[in-house]
Amino acid sequence: GAVVSQHPSWVICKSGTSVKIECRSLDFQATTMFWYRQFPKQSLMLMATSNEGSKATYEQGVEKDKFLINHASLTLSTLTVTSAHPEDSSFYICSARSRRAFFGQGTRLTVV
Amino acid sequence: GENVEQHPSTLSVQEGDSAVIKCTYSDSASNYFPWYKQELGKRPQLIIDIRSNVGEKKDQRIAVTLNKTAKHFSLHITETQPEDSAVYFCAASIRDSGAGSYQLTFGKGTKLSVIP
Repeated sequence: GAVVSQHPSWVICKSGTSVKIECRSLDFQATTMFWYRQFPKQSLMLMATSNEGSKATYEQGVEKDKFLINHASLTLSTLTVTSAHPEDSSFYICSARSRRAFFGQGTRLTVV
Repeated sequence: GENVEQHPSTLSVQEGDSAVIKCTYSDSASNYFPWYKQELGKRPQLIIDIRSNVGEKKDQRIAVTLNKTAKHFSLHITETQPEDSAVYFCAASIRDSGAGSYQLTFGKGTKLSVIP
């Protein structure tokens, strides 16, 4: 299957700092990527749809100024959690599609 | 928008028995239904999927059935093994023909435990 790579796999940061997460499609081009958030023992909740060369589309309740998404190329989308707080601690996963949707390995963010 | 309901939330079976997980969806325009397996702390892995022009699909011990009229689809795992223990998510989507991408709506997940 297609390969989607996400980095970093885990990160610990202090409150108030920003964290950037990268999502790359390694063997195909993705005009659209998706960013999900997953709390423990819960399902994947779509945060936003990242569109190459244009603005991301955010789901209701997701602050676009807090979760900055940039999709500057057909193989890379980034999610920046700005001014992180402990409640932002979660598992963030990106997804991209060739014929089927494949997921990055996820990023465990802990804000202390 | 689409709403996907998944049941049961937890399921325990004896090794060798079958497991069935059921999902319903709300949007009759949905045409793609994948199932993912997620182990703790890892990414969801696609295990099988079905498109709306097919009623059933099988891959070794795993099968998926789709009833478009009733808007429900099910995952069947036969001869379960301890390594099948994980959380399983169903999803539904409408293919965006313009962008060529699927926006997936996930069920809440089923934690499957296979008891040796």
